[in-house]
Amino acid sequence: QKEVEQNSGPLSVPEGAIASLNCTYSDRVSQSFFWYRQYSGKSPELIMSIYSNGDKEDGRFTAQLNKASQYVSLLIRDSQPSDSATYLCAVIQGNNRLAFGKGNQVVVIP
Amino acid sequence: DAGVTQSPTHLIKTRGQQVTLRCSPISGHKSVSWYQQVLGQGPQFIFQYYEKEERGRGNFPDRFSARQFPNYSSELNVNALLLGDSALYLCASSPEWGESGYTFGSGTRLTVV
Repeated sequence: QKEVEQNSGPLSVPEGAIASLNCTYSDRVSQSFFWYRQYSGKSPELIMSIYSNGDKEDGRFTAQLNKASQYVSLLIRDSQPSDSATYLCAVIQGNNRLAFGKGNQVVVIP
Repeated sequence: DAGVTQSPTHLIKTRGQQVTLRCSPISGHKSVSWYQQVLGQGPQFIFQYYEKEERGRGNFPDRFSARQFPNYSSELNVNALLLGDSALYLCASSPEWGESGYTFGSGTRLTVV
């Protein structure tokens, strides 16, 4: 089992719709969870962090965490063409390493 | 306030050569981590340093080495380069070890020919 899994393929959403991304992790002691956005050819940019079960909203982004299910998600509301990027789920594991999933590409269609 | 700076931005090397990549963390950040990212994959952990001590090493061969200096800047060295070492090398800094999100530099694009 991979440490952080993002299994969905590329996601195409119409402009203005909601994009939903999911991530699971294997290390039960993990306490810190992040979503990074990476534009093509650029480095990852931190857009959300979440540490407690439940929802955390920041602008058009909402992160959801369920530690019992070892599940993290990201919702992007009112998707814009500028949201087209790869979204990386990342988890600080028990060994204090930040581990990443392989990422999900999001394409927002005008 | 300057972010994480990496140099060089691009590099082309020949198989068998050696390369040194450099990273300066955000002022006040004590932890530096190195990642390798190949096309289509998420960043893979290589090394983590905190207060100039190695705190973690990923599943990379001994050809990869790193160090952190008293000013918290860091170098990543790769010896005997292979074609498969071609990737984007990312440096990330964080205020402490194992806390909060990491801030990434713009990366060094290494091409081995």
